[in-house]
Amino acid sequence: GESVGLHLPTLSVQEGDNSIINCAYSNSASDYFIWYKQESGKGPQFIIDIRSNMDKRQGQRVTVLLNKTVKHLSLQIAATQPGDSAVYFCAEPFNAGGTSYGKLTFGQGTILTVHP
Amino acid sequence: EPEVTQTPSHQVTQMGQEVILRCVPISNHLYFYWYRQILGQKVEFLVSFYNNEISEKSEIFDDQFSVERPDGSNFTLKIRSTKLEDSAMYFCASTAVGGETQYFGPGTRLLVL
Repeated sequence: GESVGLHLPTLSVQEGDNSIINCAYSNSASDYFIWYKQESGKGPQFIIDIRSNMDKRQGQRVTVLLNKTVKHLSLQIAATQPGDSAVYFCAEPFNAGGTSYGKLTFGQGTILTVHP
Repeated sequence: EPEVTQTPSHQVTQMGQEVILRCVPISNHLYFYWYRQILGQKVEFLVSFYNNEISEKSEIFDDQFSVERPDGSNFTLKIRSTKLEDSAMYFCASTAVGGETQYFGPGTRLLVL
């Protein structure tokens, strides 16, 4: 199926802490995943992506981990800042093969709140 | 940095009226999308568009919806007779040929009264 879901709807952290946002998927053939950040009143903003031939990918202060065995991925944000407060979505292109030419299926989203 | 733009940012309309939401995708992109997000819910796919035709559409995208690429820069979503349940944020997105990341615009907040 095309299910992409999130474990927790909300996450509150203190500034400077590390944040971990989780996402589960159901289609074992899925081979490409994207994390988006959505700030209030704005459109989803690309953060980082990962292909299924990788277990880990790092960006600036963000790391995505992919565990294909349990069909789970996570987004780790290091030294979380108040500006990181947003809703975070994992998303998956529906097309097999992992191209983004088809629709994206979004998870429900996790609300990250960073307290100063 | 190139970005997707959308107008208007907010639209209030009466039920039964037609609305046109406008998007200017990133200039070298050729795949275009509309999504919507009802308040408090996840982003939902509406339609994808390539080479002047619809590539795929969801169940939401019924006969009341249409899309058009009227010129080389604009991409529009028309709702012919709006319903209360059409109230949502509507996002346009685009992707380059050979690219994989969909870039989203800031959205149009549509309120149907």
